[in-house]
Amino acid sequence: SQTIHQWPATLVQPVGSPLSLECTVEGTSNPNLYWYRQAAGRGLQLLFYSVGIGQISSEVPQNLSASRPQDRQFILSSKKLLLSDSGFYLCAWSVGEGGRAFFGQGTRLTVV
Amino acid sequence: TQLLEQSPQFLSIQEGENLTVYCNSSSVFSSLQWYRQEPGEGPVLLVTVVTGGEVKKLKRLTFQFGDARKDSSLHITAAQPGDTGLYLCAGTIYNQGGKLIFGQGTELSVKP
Repeated sequence: SQTIHQWPATLVQPVGSPLSLECTVEGTSNPNLYWYRQAAGRGLQLLFYSVGIGQISSEVPQNLSASRPQDRQFILSSKKLLLSDSGFYLCAWSVGEGGRAFFGQGTRLTVV
Repeated sequence: TQLLEQSPQFLSIQEGENLTVYCNSSSVFSSLQWYRQEPGEGPVLLVTVVTGGEVKKLKRLTFQFGDARKDSSLHITAAQPGDTGLYLCAGTIYNQGGKLIFGQGTELSVKP
């Protein structure tokens, strides 16, 4: 069966510090991978998505970046965090065009 | 730019009432999905609709995909307090590969 792991679950980081959130998927090959950010009680803002290794599409220009070093690994990074980077970050995967998305448990990031 | 407009954003009703949530776009979607999300967790899929005009029922929930595949609705009959939560529509725009975008969400509160 397919599973998705996202860590850490919570993170408190000072302004200006780096960030690395990791997401791995098991049980499927060549998935589409996504990073979303969500404000409380609101919809999901698509940050990055990837349809294959080394293929990253950025949806929102900001100080975040994403990488896909392996087929089932997706990493969200920042060199210097801003206060406005605080939020709930969700990793997800799907297969094909129009396939349902499966989500990780999310990371609550607080930048202080 | 928000390509998927979801309304209303907030809805507070009494137990037993009916409600409808709408999701609209100027773009054609390969498929459209509805999710429900609990606080602190990732969204969970309720249904996927792929054919224009398609209607799917899940107990007291009825989902419809517009004929032109640009809009969708979620109708809940005789709402229960257990229906309280955040409802999200999401879709893959036709011919844009695996890009999955979400609406702004509808926060539903059903009071006993």
